[in-house]
Amino acid sequence: AQTIHQWPVAEIKAVGSPLSLGCTIKGKSSPNLYWYWQATGGTLQQLFYSITVGQVESVVQLNLSASRPKDDQFILSTEKLLLSHSGFYLCAWSLDWGGGAEQFFGPGTRLTVL
Amino acid sequence: QQKVQQSPESLIVPEGAMTSLNCTFSDSASQYFAWYRQHSGKAPKALMSIFSNGEKEEGRFTIHLNKASLHFSLHIRDSQPSDSALYLCAISGGNYKPTFGKGTSLVVHP
Repeated sequence: AQTIHQWPVAEIKAVGSPLSLGCTIKGKSSPNLYWYWQATGGTLQQLFYSITVGQVESVVQLNLSASRPKDDQFILSTEKLLLSHSGFYLCAWSLDWGGGAEQFFGPGTRLTVL
Repeated sequence: QQKVQQSPESLIVPEGAMTSLNCTFSDSASQYFAWYRQHSGKAPKALMSIFSNGEKEEGRFTIHLNKASLHFSLHIRDSQPSDSALYLCAISGGNYKPTFGKGTSLVVHP
């Protein structure tokens, strides 16, 4: 069975500080991976997707970057946090189909920027 | 760019009621249509999905897709308090970029 883990569970960070969020998928080879952001009460916004190791596509520009250093790992980061980065960050994987088939979400990381 | 709109924004229904949630989209070439449910503070989880026009039923849940009218709906029969959640529709067109609606917040009161 596939499992998806995200770390940390929650973070409180200062404006201007760096950030690194991680996601690991176990039990699925070469999954499509995605990062989403959801502001409190807001829409689920796709940030990045990756269909293979080393390749990441940006969907929206929010002063964030993503990397896929291993087949089962997806990292979201920034060198300088903004207040607007607060929200719920979700990692997801899907089956090997470009149609964007069912997204399986991780438990999420809640980020508060002060 | 795909536009997805959900209605209503929020809904309060009594236990046992039939609930209907709506989703309209702009691209008739879209290929994959799904409803997700997100309980407060949790990640979204897929409920049901469909690829072609028609209806699909699973237990108390029924989804209906009409590509010609750009309309996708979810119906919940005999709504339960445990159905209270945010419901998101998602539309995909083969480009790894599913578009999610803003969601309908459903409250089912006992």
